[in-house]
Amino acid sequence: EVQLLESGGGLVQRGGSLRLSCAASGFTFSTYAMSWVRQAPGKGLEWVASISGSGGSTYYTDSVKGRFTISRDNSKNTLYVQMNSLRAEDTAVYYCSKGGYGYCSDTGCARVEDYWGQGTLVTVSS
Amino acid sequence: AIQLTQSPSSLSASVGDRVTITCRASQGISTILAWYQQKPGKAPKLLIYDASTLENGVPSRFSGSGSGTDFTLTISSLQPEDFATYYCQQFNSYPITFGQGTRLEIK
Repeated sequence: EVQLLESGGGLVQRGGSLRLSCAASGFTFSTYAMSWVRQAPGKGLEWVASISGSGGSTYYTDSVKGRFTISRDNSKNTLYVQMNSLRAEDTAVYYCSKGGYGYCSDTGCARVEDYWGQGTLVTVSS
Repeated sequence: AIQLTQSPSSLSASVGDRVTITCRASQGISTILAWYQQKPGKAPKLLIYDASTLENGVPSRFSGSGSGTDFTLTISSLQPEDFATYYCQQFNSYPITFGQGTRLEIK
């Protein structure tokens, strides 16, 4: 059974940093791309970042480029996102997701999210 | 970035009704589109990918169609557990984008 368990969320001041983790089990972690998707309170879903199975390719939404870094440790079956220079608009539930069916274009190989964690709340206070 | 516009934003329907939600892309994306269901306080769940392929375990009352810029999600006979918010997502190119969501409520 695929399980994704996020941790590391909490309250942080504007301009601060936070690192989220996602512990994965039930599948061969290193084989699959992984992503972070967030949802601000009462709002819709927003894709944040993705990383290939090897970790060699990473992709970001424009609003987090230069501030967030997605990474993975395949020996620990764990996905991370380091979030720096946090802003009020980064307040959201952050979901870790496993990549499923995908499509490759000139921008890279993107995938649907076929399994999701329960999410971890990040609150940035101003 | 490719923008996805869902309609309607909200919808009231009754158990047993047939419901259709549409998603329009700002540029052609072939069939590289997925649909998700999200219930309050829960993570989203993948329903359909490649515009019309049902994810394993998803009931057959859900179906998807479309290609290019216009897509639909249809629920043939609403069940009580189907009342939720539905999102389309394009994964044709980065950045991956979602529609704004369609909230399906009980009439």
